[in-house]
Amino acid sequence: AQKVTQAQTEISVVEKEDVTLDCVYETRDTTYYLFWYKQPPSGELVFLIRRNSFDEQNEISGRYSWNFQKSTSSFNFTITASQVVDSAVYFCALSDSGGSNYKLTFGKGTLLTVNP
Amino acid sequence: DSGVTQTPKHLITATGQRVTLRCSPRSGDLSVYWYQQSLDQGLQFLIQYYNGEERAKGNILERFSAQQFPDLHSELNLSSLELGDSALYFCASSVGRGLSEAFFGQGTRLTVV
Repeated sequence: AQKVTQAQTEISVVEKEDVTLDCVYETRDTTYYLFWYKQPPSGELVFLIRRNSFDEQNEISGRYSWNFQKSTSSFNFTITASQVVDSAVYFCALSDSGGSNYKLTFGKGTLLTVNP
Repeated sequence: DSGVTQTPKHLITATGQRVTLRCSPRSGDLSVYWYQQSLDQGLQFLIQYYNGEERAKGNILERFSAQQFPDLHSELNLSSLELGDSALYFCASSVGRGLSEAFFGQGTRLTVV
């Protein structure tokens, strides 16, 4: 069975600090996808990134960066120079490659609070 | 704006009642997914439809049902509602059978009183 663990339930930082959100996953599939979503206080789920299991290159998008390490089954998310607007719940998710089941398995989420 | 539209945004109803949640996928997307977000269970996959056909089923209760219509919009029907059904219900859509990218709607917050 697939599983996603976000061990950090809550993180609180001061603006401009860097923060890393951890994600560890379990799957028996050799091909799979990993996702990060942001859920701001307004409630919607905002897609941030998708990586497939064959692409271990780290990715940077502005202040966001992702570190995918297959050897440790981790897909960590770093926000550089955090801002108050980054305050949200962040979810890591995993989906399998195919067959007939394309559902996302979500972690429990990490509540990030960025204080001014 | 993800392009996925869910109505209504909020719904308050009594135990034992039945409600229908509606989802319009992004233009061109053939797959619709329903997820439930509750405090105790987190985000859970309920069901997926692809081009009108049920494709995958998750932890969906028998009291719940869904369908996807020829115009590709989908409805999630929840009946014999219980207090524990109070949750945020999300719809997501994607182009193909699988999750190339899943774009989520803003959710319907259901409160059962």
